[in-house]
Amino acid sequence: DTGVSQNPRHKITKRGQNVTFRCDPISEHNRLYWYRQTLGQGPEFLTYFQNEAQLEKSRLLSDRFSAERPKGSFSTLEIQRTEQGDSAMYLCASSREEGSNEKLFFGSGTQLSVL
Amino acid sequence: KQEVTQIPAALSVPEGENLVLNCSFTDSAIYNLQWFRQDPGKGLTSLLLIQSSQREQTSGRLNASLDKSSGRSTLYIAASQPGDSATYLCAVKSNDYKLSFGAGTTVTVRA
Repeated sequence: DTGVSQNPRHKITKRGQNVTFRCDPISEHNRLYWYRQTLGQGPEFLTYFQNEAQLEKSRLLSDRFSAERPKGSFSTLEIQRTEQGDSAMYLCASSREEGSNEKLFFGSGTQLSVL
Repeated sequence: KQEVTQIPAALSVPEGENLVLNCSFTDSAIYNLQWFRQDPGKGLTSLLLIQSSQREQTSGRLNASLDKSSGRSTLYIAASQPGDSATYLCAVKSNDYKLSFGAGTTVTVRA
């Protein structure tokens, strides 16, 4: 396993701009997750994919957020019209198991700063 | 809604001392519980996973216990080293897809 890869590592943007993050999961992992983490808090679930299907979205994911996973491989998370409250670490994770034995492998995250 | 609490929020110990980190959760109907380590500005590294039918898991100097009925898990780290300094996060899987995380315990091991 080469690990979960996220790009970019850091993103600084001005309020109102659009940003897009990319996540490359471990190959053959059929599940892909996006989480958001703010300073001093644990990660919060945003959304997940089973292969190319987006199966669940948190209420934290406003209509300015959209995620895709074309062909069930890499995923992108786009934030439109960014706000200062969007500043956080965005974490991607993948897994190949389900149920009680599911173990998530996390990437290093993308740190977003909205000025 | 599953609520996960970790106490203490921070811990400082001299090298060689054993560490005891606590995690509590409100809904005992869980799939599993995982302990993660996070270094500053980095992602999460999985340490141990305990399935709901298990009571403990061990890996090297790490041992995690699970008492589902009381909604508690404890992570023990034996003979702590400065390299163990990090934030430790507890996460509970309560349904098919979602992990609920605690806010973490930040550990400092003094040389």
